[in-house]
Amino acid sequence: DGGITQSPKYLFRKEGQNVTLSCEQNLNHDAMYWYRQDPGQGLRLIYYSQIVNDFQKGDIAEGYSVSREKKESFPLTVTSAQKNPTAFYLCASSNLLRTGGAFGNTIYFGEGSWLTVV
Amino acid sequence: GDSVTQMEGPVTLSEEAFLTINCTYTATGYPSLFWYVQYPGEGLQLLLKATKADDKGSNKGFEATYRKETTSFHLEKGSVQVSDSAVYFCALSVRDTGRRALTFGSGTRLQVQP
Repeated sequence: DGGITQSPKYLFRKEGQNVTLSCEQNLNHDAMYWYRQDPGQGLRLIYYSQIVNDFQKGDIAEGYSVSREKKESFPLTVTSAQKNPTAFYLCASSNLLRTGGAFGNTIYFGEGSWLTVV
Repeated sequence: GDSVTQMEGPVTLSEEAFLTINCTYTATGYPSLFWYVQYPGEGLQLLLKATKADDKGSNKGFEATYRKETTSFHLEKGSVQVSDSAVYFCALSVRDTGRRALTFGSGTRLQVQP
């Protein structure tokens, strides 16, 4: 089945550690996104990528890093510089129209990854 | 910048009641509008969308009409079920901006009681 796979579902991080969340899609989508969701709040954009080997910062990129070496993969690293990393992380993808980017196109989400600092 | 404002929850209804969740937006350009639903512990699923003024999106008994004059995209359902209990997010994306991603509202939790 086509879709977006995030792993792990649950992850615990010790203080000072870097951790990487995996996101893989087999939908042949050009664009991929990472969002962070805090309890009772909406989603905030961390990073997004519209093409391989290129990505842009979202609203809350500090303390995070990404790579886009393959079209189907967009891993997110939560670094030790992120002071409050406990949250639910959602990966998403979409096709891009030739004009207007993701305008009107559906963005599909993975099941999410829970990250907790211990 | 772009923003989405939703009514605060939780919204608690009895089964078969009428549902309205308000959503208003501000956008730098001409937005597409979306409603996503999130069930506990899961990712988001697209519920419906509308890409131009006066369009009505509909799915699974839910409807929302793109009202440009009031910058609104309110979600409605005539008769809710217990299985509709979830968090609902209103979102937008804008053509011709450098940023090609969705902007979300804060979400509205719906609780339907039998």
